[in-house]
Amino acid sequence: NAGVTQTPKFRVLKTGQSMTLLCAQDMNHEYMYWYRQDPGMGLRLIHYSVGEGTTAKGEVPDGYNVSRLKKQNFLLGLESAAPSQTSVYFCASSNWDSSAEAFFGQGTRLTVV
Amino acid sequence: GQNIDQPTEMTATEGAIVQINCTYQTSGFNGLFWYQQHAGEAPTFLSYNVLDGLEEKGRFSSFLSRSKGYSYLLLKELQMKDSASYLCAVLTDSWGKFQFGAGTQVVVTP
Repeated sequence: NAGVTQTPKFRVLKTGQSMTLLCAQDMNHEYMYWYRQDPGMGLRLIHYSVGEGTTAKGEVPDGYNVSRLKKQNFLLGLESAAPSQTSVYFCASSNWDSSAEAFFGQGTRLTVV
Repeated sequence: GQNIDQPTEMTATEGAIVQINCTYQTSGFNGLFWYQQHAGEAPTFLSYNVLDGLEEKGRFSSFLSRSKGYSYLLLKELQMKDSASYLCAVLTDSWGKFQFGAGTQVVVTP
């Protein structure tokens, strides 16, 4: 059982380049999330989705776009990367039930130079 | 605004007990979670409280007081492998949105 898988694991981008991070989950979860984690700031929610075809803004959505065309996949796009987007990105998924725990992917370390 | 506060770092000796406090002020509350995160790895779920009181899971216990906006995670019989960051997170709505604290780095020494 793979759980939540993120690709790629590492990436270096030049300022202004674009890229897409892919998140895939095999747990049939309705909810999926993209977080970024920076030193001393904890995990901050970028965008999230409550089901196939839906997306919503989180705490820090500027500079990012997302899509959820299939229930199992949640894509995070950077249209024009900036050095401020250097971070570790985590995808997570969950179901709203009695436990509601979130399962996280292994993270993508992105450096924008 | 929303605020979740926890200490930055705590140090304890192997075999000892450590208590990590978390205070929160959030616009909504649907439960409080604790996650463990080892360096360079993904957070993993430890415990969940939605009602006041103590939840025990082996060496780990978590307590919640909703009226005080307060929780703690208790780690007993500390082991070297418990050296990690511990994240306090509030589930703020029914859509599964979490607000995370910055994490408490626990260092276990021999």
